[in-house]
Amino acid sequence: KAGVTQTPRYLIKTRGQQVTLSCSPISGHRSVSWYQQTPGQGLQFLFEYFSETQRNKGNFPGRFSGRQFSNSRSEMNVSTLELGDSALYLCASSLALMSGEITYEQYFGPGTRLTVT
Amino acid sequence: LAKTTQPISMDSYEGQEVNITCSHNNIATNDYITWYQQFPSQGPRFIIQGYKTKVTNEVASLFIPADRKSSTLSLPRVSLSDTAVYYCLVAFQTGANNLFFGTGTRLTVIP
Repeated sequence: KAGVTQTPRYLIKTRGQQVTLSCSPISGHRSVSWYQQTPGQGLQFLFEYFSETQRNKGNFPGRFSGRQFSNSRSEMNVSTLELGDSALYLCASSLALMSGEITYEQYFGPGTRLTVT
Repeated sequence: LAKTTQPISMDSYEGQEVNITCSHNNIATNDYITWYQQFPSQGPRFIIQGYKTKVTNEVASLFIPADRKSSTLSLPRVSLSDTAVYYCLVAFQTGANNLFFGTGTRLTVIP
């Protein structure tokens, strides 16, 4: 079974621009979460989607948004990029069978490394 | 704001048992702890999860003491391939913004 894939793997943007990152979860996984990883702040939770609905959200400004499609693929968007948005953005999927099922057994993709100049 | 801390680094010889601790606010009885392993240039990899006092799977054990102010990942008989960064993830079952990763522990296994 194919793992979580993220595109693009590397991206360079300029301050003020916007960016969209894509994530394809493992087949059959309906929950997709996004995380930001930086040397200074470590791993931080952005948001989680299940069945096209945002189920949970971390403490990030509104410039960070996401969505999930009917095939469970997900995108996240960052608008008005700032230098501090430079990070590795990780997507993870999990096999949550029901909307209320709790599991943190997540499968991570390799990440998209975003550099803002 | 929840703060979840771990030792920055640990060294261990091959074949030894390694215990990595994650310190956090006292968590509720149904709040989850999950541990992940991360190699360079890769996303984290799931190791174990649970909310009870002790959970064991084929690769590790998770211990949460009665005061629930910390949790410990136990790796039996580590090998060189276990050299990686280990993260705990605390998942509070109430409230929004409820997922917090620990600061990460770099484990180096020595031959």
